[in-house]
Amino acid sequence: EPEVTQTPSHQVTQMGQEVILRCVPISNHLYFYWYRQILGQKVEFLVSFYNNEISEKSEIFDDQFSVERPDGSNFTLKIRSTKLEDSAMYFCASSELNRGLSPLHFGNGTRLTVT
Amino acid sequence: RKEVEQDPGPFNVPEGATVAFNCTYSNSASQSFFWYRQDCRKEPKLLMSVYSSGNEDGRFTAQLNRASQYISLLIRDSKLSDSATYLCAVNSRGNNNDMRFGAGTRLTVKP
Repeated sequence: EPEVTQTPSHQVTQMGQEVILRCVPISNHLYFYWYRQILGQKVEFLVSFYNNEISEKSEIFDDQFSVERPDGSNFTLKIRSTKLEDSAMYFCASSELNRGLSPLHFGNGTRLTVT
Repeated sequence: RKEVEQDPGPFNVPEGATVAFNCTYSNSASQSFFWYRQDCRKEPKLLMSVYSSGNEDGRFTAQLNRASQYISLLIRDSKLSDSATYLCAVNSRGNNNDMRFGAGTRLTVKP
């Protein structure tokens, strides 16, 4: 079964550093998403992306965050200057369609630890 | 009111029990509803979609009540392997698939 893959599985960085989290969505999917989950809390929406532009973003997704699809397969999340509170599990997801019963398929996440 | 609300539990049930979870949502324009299962420190995995007329997949039954804006998940004949956190997901607007998740309901099935 095709799956979403994310790298790295764990990233440790110092406060103020830039990090790039990488994702390879399922190949025939057109809609891409980033979510985050702080330990013990709920899965929170960050951003959705379609046709090389952001469709929607949450209030969490401020100027420190950016997304990019640099080629035909990768989808990246960049955090420009990490803060301690950015420590969380970051999940990438993709879906085939953007309406109806087209569920999101999640990658296994990148655990980001900011020290 | 939160976009998506769930009873956090925990629900502790014996093997073989029937257990039901509810989830309420605030946006009456929402059109897409799903149940996901999340194991500790893992990604959410799709359990089942929720259809307007209700649907069943083996031991799992999902229902949608648009009038009261809630969805439910019923698990019959609980197995030890059903122990997990169950997340409901609802789309944020009628015409998109940007899903919002509830905080999850923790289920522990005991022998």
